[in-house]
Amino acid sequence: QSVLTQPPSASGTPGQKVTISCSGSSSNIGSNTVNWYQQLPGTAPKLLIHSDHQRPSGVPDRLTGSRSGTSASLAISGLRSEDEADYYCAVWDDNLDGPVFGGGTKLTVL
Amino acid sequence: EVQLVESGGGLVQPGGSLRLSCSASGFTVNRNALQWVRQAPGKGLQFVSFISADGGSTYYADSVKGRFTISRDDSENTLYLQMSSLAVEDTAVYYCTRDLRDWGQGTLVTVSP
Repeated sequence: QSVLTQPPSASGTPGQKVTISCSGSSSNIGSNTVNWYQQLPGTAPKLLIHSDHQRPSGVPDRLTGSRSGTSASLAISGLRSEDEADYYCAVWDDNLDGPVFGGGTKLTVL
Repeated sequence: EVQLVESGGGLVQPGGSLRLSCSASGFTVNRNALQWVRQAPGKGLQFVSFISADGGSTYYADSVKGRFTISRDDSENTLYLQMSSLAVEDTAVYYCTRDLRDWGQGTLVTVSP
């Protein structure tokens, strides 16, 4: 069981907006910034968002991250077929002295 | 360009040992925090171990504490993970990461009789 809680699945049609949530506690999301990753089958995770809402170079601005209290979310607007992947949130946990991950959300583009 | 290339994975029997390597390029390992993260087949990501930029702090997941050791060789610009007393539950793809931002392609460790 993951320290951070994500919905196991999400879906949308092309062009729609989808939001993936990540729920934690005061020792992780409540105290530290959140990263989001995309993982395509058979590949390594790719950083999409760091420091809650910062996008690395090359990540489109239709992806936005936010954090409030002990929860964070990743919004993907203008959904495209290539967005179909697994998405993970991650954050440092002060109690565990290490990063913790969400269980992952499988995004399906219908 | 930052690159991380893991090696050393393979098939090992329960109770055995294995050393994973992560060769870094495009940055120096002694100026960055580095981690090992693993992913069991069909499962999510799990933190394994962390070493601070100055090398003075190391952390381990409870599930590997006392069995795994993280280290680095600054002259080789390489990160290591020494794994011993391996169990079936340690079967996973092991990734090295730089500050959870840059990731290697992973190396598969299979623990099976």
